[in-house]
Amino acid sequence: DVKVTQSSRYLVKRTGEKVFLECVQDMDHENMFWYRQDPGLGLRLIYFSYDVKMKEKGDIPEGYSVSREKKERFSLILESASTNQTSMYLCASSLAGGPASGNTIYFGEGSWLTVV
Amino acid sequence: QKEVEQNSGPLSVPEGAIASLNCTYSDRGSQSFFWYRQYSGKSPELIMFIYSNGDKEDGRFTAQLNKASQYVSLLIRDSQPSDSATYLCAVPLGGGGFKTIFGAGTRLFVKA
Repeated sequence: DVKVTQSSRYLVKRTGEKVFLECVQDMDHENMFWYRQDPGLGLRLIYFSYDVKMKEKGDIPEGYSVSREKKERFSLILESASTNQTSMYLCASSLAGGPASGNTIYFGEGSWLTVV
Repeated sequence: QKEVEQNSGPLSVPEGAIASLNCTYSDRGSQSFFWYRQYSGKSPELIMFIYSNGDKEDGRFTAQLNKASQYVSLLIRDSQPSDSATYLCAVPLGGGGFKTIFGAGTRLFVKA
């Protein structure tokens, strides 16, 4: 059974804190993604990675960075959390070739982040 | 700006009826299309994938694709209360990239 695991389900952080969201997949997928989901806005891509140490900006990368040191692990970093980053964050993965090649995106359970 | 549009709903249907969910997209280069189901507080899960014009059936679900008109739809036959969820249309951008545009989703409510 496919598995994308996000280590933190619910977090409350203060403005200005550095926040780490960790994600691990056990499917040996090449591609990993970080999305955020907000009511009425759908899922928006923050960053993605198609290989170890490789990263590409998505549609809303400002205020975020990522790290992929191992194939199975993709971390999202909020350098200085702000209240407008309160959201649900979804990690996902897919096989090489990506969704444009018909490869399904598998999602983790999500991390609910509140910045106060 | 590539877009995927869905009616936000809620769409309310009685149990046993057919639910019809629609999605339009702007990128003519897109070749594959996904429908995801998302229960409240949960992550999206794949329902259907379609890349050829016409219909694709999987159990009670039928996806319909019309590339010329740039729309994709999802029909749910014999709707059940357990089908109550938000349905997301997802369209990978053409050109072989990794970006997928998700619609904001249609909330479906199936009344028992």
